[in-house]
Amino acid sequence: QITLKESGPTLVKPTQTLTLTCTFSGFSLSTSGVGVGWIRQPPGKALEWLALIYWDDDKRYSPSLKSRLTITKDTSKNQVVLTMTNMDPVDTATYYCAHSSLYCSSTSCSLLFDYWGQGTLVTVSS
Amino acid sequence: QSVLTQPPSVSGAPGQRVTISCTGSSSNIGAGYDVHWYQQLPGTAPKLLIYGNSNRPSGVPDRFSGSKSGTSASLAITGLQAEDEADYYCQSYDSSLSDLVVFGGGTKLTVL
Repeated sequence: QITLKESGPTLVKPTQTLTLTCTFSGFSLSTSGVGVGWIRQPPGKALEWLALIYWDDDKRYSPSLKSRLTITKDTSKNQVVLTMTNMDPVDTATYYCAHSSLYCSSTSCSLLFDYWGQGTLVTVSS
Repeated sequence: QSVLTQPPSVSGAPGQRVTISCTGSSSNIGAGYDVHWYQQLPGTAPKLLIYGNSNRPSGVPDRFSGSKSGTSASLAITGLQAEDEADYYCQSYDSSLSDLVVFGGGTKLTVL
């Protein structure tokens, strides 16, 4: 059974750095093809992909937020950490981590998120 | 503004059939990249509903189906039930700007 859970501060001040931890079980992040991603959702708004780390430590970021994001993994602890610098009130959102798998059809391969954490609401306010 | 365009809302009566569209472009759906769909019930995390355009994960009722054609994809729900009231998101890959994951803006389904 795959489970993921996000943890971190619920309130951060503008300009501060946010650090979120995703602790997971039921899979290993050293297994080929596996990844863990971060997705956020501002209140009442759509999902937005942030970052993803693969089993081989390859890291990918949303182009619009790349300069502010860092994703790392600790395979021995079954954790993935996301840091986001220079937080702003517009970054107020529920932050989700999710297990990703690679789906390949006859024409292409794409990522999908097949297991999600419950999410953690982060509010940015002074 | 999302790379994939969905209608903000759709509605239907119990038992009816509704469809939700997801319109992309030549750099994502039109380039042959597959579309995945997620269901987000109120106050909960998203759940994978359809993967690879038309495949259902184990446990998803066959009332839910997906299709893709050209630069668009669609999610169809037949035999609408009150428990289907939720937000639905499409997701794909975009080759421009190396955007590994792109989501649609989401569609709120209301069961009348």
